[in-house]
Amino acid sequence: QKEVEQNSGPLSVPEGAIASLNCTYSDRGSQSFFWYRQYSGKSPELIMSIYSNGDKEDGRFTAQLNKASQYVSLLIRDSQPSDSATYLCAAYSSASKIIFGSGTRLSIRP
Amino acid sequence: DTGVSQNPRHKITKRGQNVTFRCDPISEHNRLYWYRQTLGQGPEFLTYFQNEAQLEKSRLLSDRFSAERPKGSFSTLEIQRTEQGDSAMYLCASSLPGFDSPLHFGNGTRLTVT
Repeated sequence: QKEVEQNSGPLSVPEGAIASLNCTYSDRGSQSFFWYRQYSGKSPELIMSIYSNGDKEDGRFTAQLNKASQYVSLLIRDSQPSDSATYLCAAYSSASKIIFGSGTRLSIRP
Repeated sequence: DTGVSQNPRHKITKRGQNVTFRCDPISEHNRLYWYRQTLGQGPEFLTYFQNEAQLEKSRLLSDRFSAERPKGSFSTLEIQRTEQGDSAMYLCASSLPGFDSPLHFGNGTRLTVT
């Protein structure tokens, strides 16, 4: 079992709709979680971080964390073509290292 | 804050040669991570440092890989006797300590082994 799992996609969403990205993790000791966006050929860039159960909103992005279910999600509202990228979920594990999932490719169709 | 700097950006080498990459983290960041990323995959953890101490090295990492951070500032990653399977993007990232500190990535070094 991978420590952080994501559906590889591609996930295709029409422009203006909500994109929903999901992630599960196996280490119950994980304390915090991060969502990164990665454009092709570029390095990952941080979108959001979340540490507590519940929702955290930042502009068009909402991160959700459920530690009991070991589940993290990212919602992107009013999706734009520029949101087309690979989205990486990462967990700060109990071993104090940050582990990434394999990423979900998101495509926003006009 | 000049960001995380990695050199070189690209490296092409022949199988069997040794290569070394350098990473300069954000100056106040005492944590430094190395990851490897291949096409279609997420960054794979290789190793990380807190100051000059190497705290963990991936069990999947061959003995041909070694990393150092001698004075707790810049870091080097060396791959000895390169193999074609080593071809990948090598990413360096730095952070402040603590579970709530995100990683800041450099632009990466793309290694091609021919």
